[in-house]
Amino acid sequence: DVKVTQSSRYLVKRTGEKVFLECVQDMDHENMFWYRQDPGLGLRLIYFSYDVKMKEKGDIPEGYSVSREKKERFSLILESASTNQTSMYLCASSLTSGSVDTQYFGPGTRLTVL
Amino acid sequence: AQTVTQSQPEMSVQEAETVTLSCTYDTSENNYYLFWYKQPPSRQMILVIRQEAYKQQNATENRFSVNFQKAAKSFSLKISDSQLGDTAMYFCAFGRINSGYALNFGKGTSLLVTP
Repeated sequence: DVKVTQSSRYLVKRTGEKVFLECVQDMDHENMFWYRQDPGLGLRLIYFSYDVKMKEKGDIPEGYSVSREKKERFSLILESASTNQTSMYLCASSLTSGSVDTQYFGPGTRLTVL
Repeated sequence: AQTVTQSQPEMSVQEAETVTLSCTYDTSENNYYLFWYKQPPSRQMILVIRQEAYKQQNATENRFSVNFQKAAKSFSLKISDSQLGDTAMYFCAFGRINSGYALNFGKGTSLLVTP
C-alpha cells in the first residue's frame, strides 16, 4: 500500500515564526502536492512538484514556499506564519507526471497560528 | 479555469438506502479525469472512484457508481446500500492536465448515514 506520512498531526505556532511541514511518501512517486483545506472552501492547491528540485506554484502560493531535495520528501515552509494560515494542510503524491493519476493523501497537519 | 460545484453541503441517508451526491464542473477541455474522494471524520482522504472523460461507460466500484454526463458536465456519485462507515465528507475533483496533474476540488458534501 502507498503510504504518505506527515510529520505532525497538530501544530501550534506563534505569529511570525518560521514553520516547516514535512511530507514523505514511500512509493517512488514523481508528483507531490500541498493543499490547504478550509471549511466551506474545499481543498486548494498551494504548490506542487513533479521532480526533485522542481516546483510550481498552485492557486494560493502567497506566504508559502516548498522544498524537494529528495524524491520521497516534500516540505512546505511558512516563512513568517500569520493567523490567516491557520488551517488543515494535506500532502498528496501520485505516480507519474504523464497523466492524471490517483493521488494518495497524508493524514493532514492541523496548524494553528496564534 | 476549471471549477467544480457541489451544490449539497450536507446530506443524510438511512442505512441500506441509496443516496446520490451531485457534482457539476466547468471546463473547455475535451479529455480530462474526474474523481470522487472520501474523507471520514479525522481520517485520511481516500479515492472512491475515478472516471476518464473519453470513456462513455460509467465507472463502478462495488456499492459506488457514477452517472457521468459529459455534455451536461455532470458527475454524480451514487452510493447503494449505505453503511454507517460511509459517513464522511465527499469531494468531487477535476484532474488538471496542465498543472502537474493537480486536482481542482469542490467544496464537499458532508454525508451522514443514520441507523
